[in-house]
Amino acid sequence: EAQVTQNPRYLITVTGKKLTVTCSQNMNHEYMSWYRQDPGLGLRQIYYSMNVEVTDKGDVPEGYKVSRKEKRNFPLILESPSPNQTSLYFCASSPGGGGTDTQYFGPGTRLTVL
Amino acid sequence: GENVEQHPSTLSVQEGDSAVIKCTYSDSASNYFPWYKQELGKGPQLIIDIRSNVGEKKDQRIAVTLNKTAKHFSLHITETQPEDSAVYFCAAYSSASKIIFGSGTRLSIRP
Repeated sequence: EAQVTQNPRYLITVTGKKLTVTCSQNMNHEYMSWYRQDPGLGLRQIYYSMNVEVTDKGDVPEGYKVSRKEKRNFPLILESPSPNQTSLYFCASSPGGGGTDTQYFGPGTRLTVL
Repeated sequence: GENVEQHPSTLSVQEGDSAVIKCTYSDSASNYFPWYKQELGKGPQLIIDIRSNVGEKKDQRIAVTLNKTAKHFSLHITETQPEDSAVYFCAAYSSASKIIFGSGTRLSIRP
C-alpha cells in the first residue's frame, strides 16, 4: 500500500532532550516536506526537500533540522526541544521535485514538550 | 513573506445546501492551488487542485475557481452531505518551491 508513515505518533518529552521524528514514504517520491499544525494557524512548512541531499527552509525552520540521505526517508530532528514546539507535525511527499503535485500526508505526530 | 488568507474560519450549512470557501494569495508567481480536506485525527487529503492556466475545475460535487488577476481562488461544494463535515485547507505553491497553506475552514453540515 502506497503510504507515508511517521513515528512515533505521540510523544511527550521534556525541554532540551533531543528527539527525532521519522518519516518514510514507499512511493519513490522526490519531494518531501515537514509541517506543523497549530490552532488558527493552519499548516506551516518547516523544511522541504526536492531530492536526496537537497533540503531548504520553509516558513518556520527555527529549532528544527532535517536530513535527506535516502529518497524514502526524511527525519525531523529537534536538537533542544522547547515548549513552543508543542504541536501536531505532519510529513508529506509528492512525486514532482518542485512540490506541484498531489501531496500525500502521513498520519501526524502529536508532540508535547514539557 | 508570502501568505494565503482563507475565509471563513468556520462555516455551518444545512445538508443539501452549497458551501463556499475563499482564499487569497499574495505571490503573483504562484501557479498551483490545491485544496485539502482533513478529517478528525487524520492527515490532510487532496480533494481537488487547479493550475494557473485554468479558470475552473469540477469533480462531481466539488469545484474550484481561480481568478489570477484578483489573486483569489474558491472551493465550491454543492449538495452537501454529512460526510463533508471536516476542516478544509487551501494552499498556494510559491515561486520559492514553498507551499503556503491557509489557516483552514471548519465546515459543519447540519442535518
